[in-house]
Amino acid sequence: DSGVTQTPKHLITATGQRVTLRCSPRSGDLSVYWYQQSLDQGLQFLIQYYNGEERAKGNILERFSAQQFPDLHSELNLSSLELGDSALYFCASSGLGQGTNTQYFGPGTRLTVL
Amino acid sequence: QKEVEQDPGPLSVPEGAIVSLNCTYSNSAFQYFMWYRQYSRKGPELLMYTYSSGNKEDGRFTAQVDKSSKYISLFIRDSQPSDSATYLCAMGGGATNKLIFGTGTLLAVQP
Repeated sequence: DSGVTQTPKHLITATGQRVTLRCSPRSGDLSVYWYQQSLDQGLQFLIQYYNGEERAKGNILERFSAQQFPDLHSELNLSSLELGDSALYFCASSGLGQGTNTQYFGPGTRLTVL
Repeated sequence: QKEVEQDPGPLSVPEGAIVSLNCTYSNSAFQYFMWYRQYSRKGPELLMYTYSSGNKEDGRFTAQVDKSSKYISLFIRDSQPSDSATYLCAMGGGATNKLIFGTGTLLAVQP
């Protein structure tokens, strides 16, 4: 158990809908990262938050947004969903500064868009 | 060209074999290197962490980093069926702690 929790485990929805994925980092970790993993794309970095502020952006679509709250949990919002958004979404967390850049992953949320 | 290249496999070996998994990369700024193990439909689990060049050993696992060749390896000795998983290399550097992942190598250890 990495200490990172994600809810829900599974999500099935229809095209055009909006969903919210939730992540709680390990105790004490200030950074949260979101990744998308699909069969043909591997693990793709979406976005990083550090202590409530956006730190880095990857291949995140404009239809997707994220935020990190004062209690450090994070939410990833996916809107106007398309079939191609079906994937595993992982959250990871890490500690502060250099030398603590190891990322610990949660169990993921499996999103299926029908 | 991708920043990180990893042979996707699949790689099938008999139990007890020595397994070698490799990644190459193009960004000379990468400073830290990791190997993650991912069982089917589970979250990646950190196996090994190495900073800069050199070797690191942990039980049956050895990680090697050759920064001059931009090449990293993970060796698994006395492989077990429980080692069957996808192995992802990851590397990064800089203030954001952003990691770049390889596409993963699927390993199957046959009993």
